[in-house]
Amino acid sequence: SAVISQKPSRDICQRGTSLTIQCQVDSQVTMMFWYRQQPGQSLTLIATANQGSEATYESGFVIDKFPISRPNLTFSTLTVSNMSPEDSSIYLCSVSSRDREAFFGQGTRLTVV
Amino acid sequence: QKEVEQNSGPLSVPEGAIASLNCTYSDRGSQSFFWYRQYSGKSPELIMSIYSNGDKEDGRFTAQLNKASQYVSLLIRDSQPSDSATYLCAVKEGGTLTFGKGTMLLVSP
Repeated sequence: SAVISQKPSRDICQRGTSLTIQCQVDSQVTMMFWYRQQPGQSLTLIATANQGSEATYESGFVIDKFPISRPNLTFSTLTVSNMSPEDSSIYLCSVSSRDREAFFGQGTRLTVV
Repeated sequence: QKEVEQNSGPLSVPEGAIASLNCTYSDRGSQSFFWYRQYSGKSPELIMSIYSNGDKEDGRFTAQLNKASQYVSLLIRDSQPSDSATYLCAVKEGGTLTFGKGTMLLVSP
């Protein structure tokens, strides 16, 4: 399985600011994803990070709010923009090949005050 | 809309018993099925994957898949207090995973 490093592990941010979360994988992977897990809830897919092109966003998530970059096959960033308390969640980076298992980073616990 | 359904629990079992966790899914085109364990405050950890009908065993864990009934289950034998966690069923089709809400398992000593 791939080793996934995600940072920061946690942060407390002021409303109206932005936070960029980084995800680094120790090997080249086909697919990278970003999930959100709100308190007491399951995982919701935000978007698929595409290497060298715009991310593919799920319904309810937009690029202006959650810009994503993937400059190469081992690195991606997710920015949570213009944050509000409703954005307080755990954000998770995930990697997989198309039909095989997915692995997760340690997650970023975000609190917006 | 792809849906993955799980009983939220909690499912309480005594130490040493068999815990049975169930999951149904809506998309008949789904090809890959996974069980993840998530401890509170931690990220999901893969414990089983299954791709074809039948049973797959790995140590104390057995995953069962019935595509005709769109049903996946996870059996945990000789349950231990350390198995207490939320178990997430996930179904993959077209490259993306859809997660159920998870079942909380509590194993009492």
